[in-house]
Amino acid sequence: DGGITQSPKYLFRKEGQNVTLSCEQNLNHDAMYWYRQDPGQGLRLIYYSQIVNDFQKGDIAEGYSVSREKKESFPLTVTSAQKNPTAFYLCATKTGASNQPQHFGDGTRLSIL
Amino acid sequence: RKEVEQDPGPFNVPEGATVAFNCTYSNSASQSFFWYRQDCRKEPKLLMSVYSSGNEDGRFTAQLNRASQYISLLIRDSKLSDSATYLCVVHGGSGNTGKLIFGQGTTLQVKP
Repeated sequence: DGGITQSPKYLFRKEGQNVTLSCEQNLNHDAMYWYRQDPGQGLRLIYYSQIVNDFQKGDIAEGYSVSREKKESFPLTVTSAQKNPTAFYLCATKTGASNQPQHFGDGTRLSIL
Repeated sequence: RKEVEQDPGPFNVPEGATVAFNCTYSNSASQSFFWYRQDCRKEPKLLMSVYSSGNEDGRFTAQLNRASQYISLLIRDSKLSDSATYLCVVHGGSGNTGKLIFGQGTTLQVKP
């Protein structure tokens, strides 16, 4: 979706390394989300943030960390504790209204070297 | 039971066919419903929201049945370009601040 930028598109991680995925939005949306998608699987929620300086764990937060210091930015760090990080990572944003859909960035593919 | 369930398919149909997908959800308090389309190795894109009275957008019709807790998507006159995975998405329900629950997706393959 226009207005949500994820970078990089492709990322390779070495054993024991932390890597950070960027998500920036200019839609002025309050809420931001990180999902992980494995081949042939649905989306699983990692972390989400409803407001600046606040975030909550999703269903699979172990091995990941986030920050929300600015409304526009919600970076995701994949730590060395995440033993199976190879996946497609999607960032999404949403307005505050509960009946509104989420809009996605075009994703980052992370692989192990 | 999964919170949102879909038949993964694949549904293989000829061009011009009408095809329908169903999706069931477990939380009766869910308030908002959506269909997304995801092409191979791409991000999901919103196809349409689903309204209580049902709604139509061109060849696509979405229906909601709250009593039976399912939503449906009907695609008429299928095109080759409709080939994709269709994700059923449900807002988590009262007290759930903005979390959407995604189904696994239903794969549609339209053949010439």
